[in-house]
This record gives sequence, structure tokens and C-alpha cells, in this order.
Amino acid sequence: EVQLVESGGGLVQPGRSLRLSCTASGFTFGDYAMSWVRLAPGKGLEWVGFLRSKAYGGTTEYAASVKGRFTISRDDSNTIAYLQMNSLKTEDTAVYYCTRDRIYCSGGSCYPYYMDVWGKGTTVTVSS
Amino acid sequence: QSVLTQPPSVSAAPGQKVTISCSGSSSNIGNNYVSWYQQLPGTAPKLLIYDNNIRPSGIPDRFSGSKSGTSATLGITGLQTGDEADYYCGTWDSSLSGWVFGGGTKLTVL
Repeated sequence: EVQLVESGGGLVQPGRSLRLSCTASGFTFGDYAMSWVRLAPGKGLEWVGFLRSKAYGGTTEYAASVKGRFTISRDDSNTIAYLQMNSLKTEDTAVYYCTRDRIYCSGGSCYPYYMDVWGKGTTVTVSS
Repeated sequence: QSVLTQPPSVSAAPGQKVTISCSGSSSNIGNNYVSWYQQLPGTAPKLLIYDNNIRPSGIPDRFSGSKSGTSATLGITGLQTGDEADYYCGTWDSSLSGWVFGGGTKLTVL
């Protein structure tokens, strides 16, 4: 069964750091790009960032709201994607989902064109 | 304010049809594929439609998608109470170099 399981959420003070993990199973993890998406209380889905597979350079893209503070990485041998969150703000409070992405390449650039598998999410609360 | 514009809510009676619109621009919907996601209460989002109008395996044909210019539409026929959920459109924005979601539409089946 194809599955993504997030972990690492919790309560953290503003300005501190937290690392989320996304453990994949049931598919060849290294072949896929991965994204992180969050859902803040009372808000809609917000894309956080995206990590291409090594075959497509292993490069990342981030939303403007987290760029410079959040970093996505991957450990293909252990089938885990990570979201390192630094300098956390109260507005980062949300349920964080990891997703498996299907990518599309055009004009030398490759980017997600849909997210076909979602984890159940892990909750991050940033509060003093 | 979301880059993609969806109505905040729609409603219809069981058995009826509803459409949810998603409006964008040439940098997103106009030149990229649109996908739709369903989020039932208390659960993770699920892929409903990809490549503008393709249903993944297991999604009933009551759900359909279309795209024209810089807008996309999700259609749901034969509404059931179990369809009550939040629905989101999404696509890549070439100008932002990032993925964008609509603000979400809450479907109520009266």
C-alpha cells in the first residue's frame, strides 16, 4: 500500500526550530518529487515547498512565506522527506501534510502538476 | 488573498448537480494543468481530478473537471451527503515558481 506518514509535530515557542519527517512506503521513493502543504486554522491549503527527485536535480522551490526559514531535504535510502523549520512564527501554526508529486517538464524546467498521495498530517503549534 | 479565486461556499440538494469555479491567470491556469482536491471533515486532502479533467482510479464519474482559458471548473452530479467537504483547485504558477491553491469551497448538501 502506498503510504506517507508524517511525524515530529508539537508545541514550540516562537523563534525556535522544529523538524518534521515524512516516512514513505509502498513505492520507489527516490523516483518521486515531494511537497509539503499546510492547513492553518480557519484557512485554506497553502503550499510550503517542493523537492525534486535526484534524477531531476534534487533542487527545491519554496513559498515566499517560508523562504529562507524552511528547508526540505530527503534521505532516499531510508525513504524519508524532511521539513526543517527555523525561526518559527505564530502564523506557522498549522497541520502539515507531505505529498507525493507527479512532475511535468517543459522548457528545461520541471515542476509538480499534481499531488497524488497525501499523508494524514502532523500538527505544529507555535505559541509562547 | 489566494492567487486562484474560488467561491467560499456552494450548496445544493441531494441528487442535484453543482459546479465550483476556479479563476486564475495566464501564469497559472492559463498555461499549466489544474488539479482538484477534496478534503472531507477531519481528514487529509485527496486527489479528485488531475490534468484538468482526468479522474484517478477509484473516483466516481459523478466528478468531472474542465478548463477554458484561465478558468477551471469542478462538476459534481448526483450529490450525496457524503460529498460535503472542502474542495480546492491547484496548479503551478510559472511567475511565482510555486504551487498555488484556490481559497477552497465548502460544499453543503442540503
